[in-house]
Amino acid sequence: AQSVSQHNHHVILSEAASLELGCNYSYGGTVNLFWYVQYPGQHLQLLLKYFSGDPLVKGIKGFEAEFIKSKFSFNLRKPSVQWSDTAEYFCAVITTDSWGKFQFGAGTQVVVTP
Amino acid sequence: GAGVSQSPRYKVTKRGQDVALRCDPISGHVSLYWYRQALGQGPEFLTYFNYEAQQDKSGLPNDRFSAERPEGSISTLTIQRTEQRDSAMYRCASSLFAGNNEQFFGPGTRLTVL
Repeated sequence: AQSVSQHNHHVILSEAASLELGCNYSYGGTVNLFWYVQYPGQHLQLLLKYFSGDPLVKGIKGFEAEFIKSKFSFNLRKPSVQWSDTAEYFCAVITTDSWGKFQFGAGTQVVVTP
Repeated sequence: GAGVSQSPRYKVTKRGQDVALRCDPISGHVSLYWYRQALGQGPEFLTYFNYEAQQDKSGLPNDRFSAERPEGSISTLTIQRTEQRDSAMYRCASSLFAGNNEQFFGPGTRLTVL
């Protein structure tokens, strides 16, 4: 069965630290990849997406992600986090076998301390 | 509308009662999706529609769950004879086109079954 794994459930870091959240998926075919964020009290919002082309994708608020096909990974990064980045982050995948159906990872709760 | 809306935002019901959860997608969006999210987990696909046609209902857990979108806009997710294990956040999303397109999420309905 296809799956999406996020390596960390909770991350705590200080402002200005760098952030990297891991995401791996298990599917050998074509995938479209997404990172969504949920700020406290808000709904899921798209951070960035990868469909094809340049594997390094830039999103909103200074986030970027790199698709490494050989590693089945789509890790999210931000060089310098702010307190306002405190949120839950979800990796999601659409495959050609599950067209239209997002498969989400379990999420990573990120807490940024001042 | 400006975004996806869901109602009610919170629903508390007694075991054995039926509940109906409503989703109003972004105007003009073809596809509508329902997800369920348990605490500490990512959203899990339930079903989706293109226009009024239900394309995939493979994620509905059992026959107590049903969904409709009779006019290709507003959708209702109905849970009959609710059980405590149905307690979760129910999320609706819509996308402009079917398939791999970005999905816009609503605020969710928090269902608690006592």
